[in-house]
Amino acid sequence: QKEVEQNSGPLSVPEGAIASLNCTYSDRGSQSFFWYRQYSGKSPELIMFIYSNGDKEDGRFTAQLNKASQYVSLLIRDSQPSDSATYLCAVNKGGGFKTIFGAGTRLFVKA
Amino acid sequence: DAGITQSPRHKVTETGTPVTLRCHQTENHRYMYWYRQDPGHGLRLIHYSYGVKDTDKGEVSDGYSVSRSKTEDFLLTLESATSSQTSVYFCAISETPGTQPYEQYFGPGTRLTVT
Repeated sequence: QKEVEQNSGPLSVPEGAIASLNCTYSDRGSQSFFWYRQYSGKSPELIMFIYSNGDKEDGRFTAQLNKASQYVSLLIRDSQPSDSATYLCAVNKGGGFKTIFGAGTRLFVKA
Repeated sequence: DAGITQSPRHKVTETGTPVTLRCHQTENHRYMYWYRQDPGHGLRLIHYSYGVKDTDKGEVSDGYSVSRSKTEDFLLTLESATSSQTSVYFCAISETPGTQPYEQYFGPGTRLTVT
């Protein structure tokens, strides 16, 4: 079992719809959770981080964390073609430098 | 890219040759990281540094060494390149962890091909 798992996709949604990206992790001691966006041929770019159970909203993005079920999700409202990218989930145990990245989910937003 | 540059951006080299990749930051961040990214594997940590001359291994450190003689520079060396080291290499930086979270910012990447 991978430490951080994501569906590789591609996830295809129409423009204006809500895109839902999911991530599960294996280490219950994990404390910090991140979502990065990576356009093809570019470097990962931090979108959001969350470390408390519940929802955290930033513009069109909402991160959701459920530590009991060991999953974290990212919702993108009013999806735009410019949101088409690979989304990486990353998990940090806290107190150290080891951040584990998932392999990413490719999102395609159809105009 | 948060004041991070990597050089070279592209390199083709032959099996058995040494290769050094450079990461340079202008943010004065204490922590620096080298990752490789391969299809299906995501980003995997090779080595990291928590200060000048302070480095440690990540999960895929075999065949790689690093050095950090100045806060702003972190070098990754492939002692004798192999085809399995063909990858895209990313440098990342972060500030003192202290408390959560440990946000990392990435450089533009170096695409390395070993023939």
